[in-house]
Amino acid sequence: AQTVTQSQPEMSVQEAETVTLSCTYDTSENNYYLFWYKQPPSRQMILVIRQEAYKQQNATENRFSVNFQKAAKSFSLKISDSQLGDTAMYFCAFPDNAGGTSYGKLTFGQGTILTVHP
Amino acid sequence: DAGVIQSPRHEVTEMGQEVTLRCKPISGHDYLFWYRQTMMRGLELLIYFNNNVPIDDSGMPEDRFSAKMPNASFSTLKIQPSEPRDSAVYFCASSFGLADLFSYNEQFFGPGTRLTVL
Repeated sequence: AQTVTQSQPEMSVQEAETVTLSCTYDTSENNYYLFWYKQPPSRQMILVIRQEAYKQQNATENRFSVNFQKAAKSFSLKISDSQLGDTAMYFCAFPDNAGGTSYGKLTFGQGTILTVHP
Repeated sequence: DAGVIQSPRHEVTEMGQEVTLRCKPISGHDYLFWYRQTMMRGLELLIYFNNNVPIDDSGMPEDRFSAKMPNASFSTLKIQPSEPRDSAVYFCASSFGLADLFSYNEQFFGPGTRLTVL
């Protein structure tokens, strides 16, 4: 079974600075997707960014980007120019049935609580 | 679209009582997921449906839990009898199905139901 590990339970950053959240995973699949979700204090789960493993280029969405190291099975999220609204819990997620045609379940990491300080 | 709708937002009940959580997915989505979030276990997938049919219920903790999807616009998660250890936030999510082998469609989450069993 696939596993997803986030080793940083909590992190903090000053407003306007850059922060990187780590995620590692384990899989025997070759083609798959990885996701970062954000859960602010409102509890709403929001997709931040996703990465396709067969793409060489790291995904970018405005101030959010990933550093995807396929061989190392590492998938970190970089937040540039941090804003107070980025304060949230961030989850790395990975589909269980990533390699097949069946629709995958999502396995979530333990989450990292990010606090952005003014 | 109003997004995924869940009701109630908060539920407080006593041990032994029946609890029913409700979900209305985004119109047109053909996949529906039920998750549970606790501090101890993080985010767990309980069950998911495709075109109203349960596909994988291996995450359902025990027979006290049951889920139904009588039509494309409504699903319920029932706990009978409820126990204090069932206290958690329960999320419903929906998505479109796979377009092809190498696509993955975003899961849209509802706001969650916070369940407290006394």
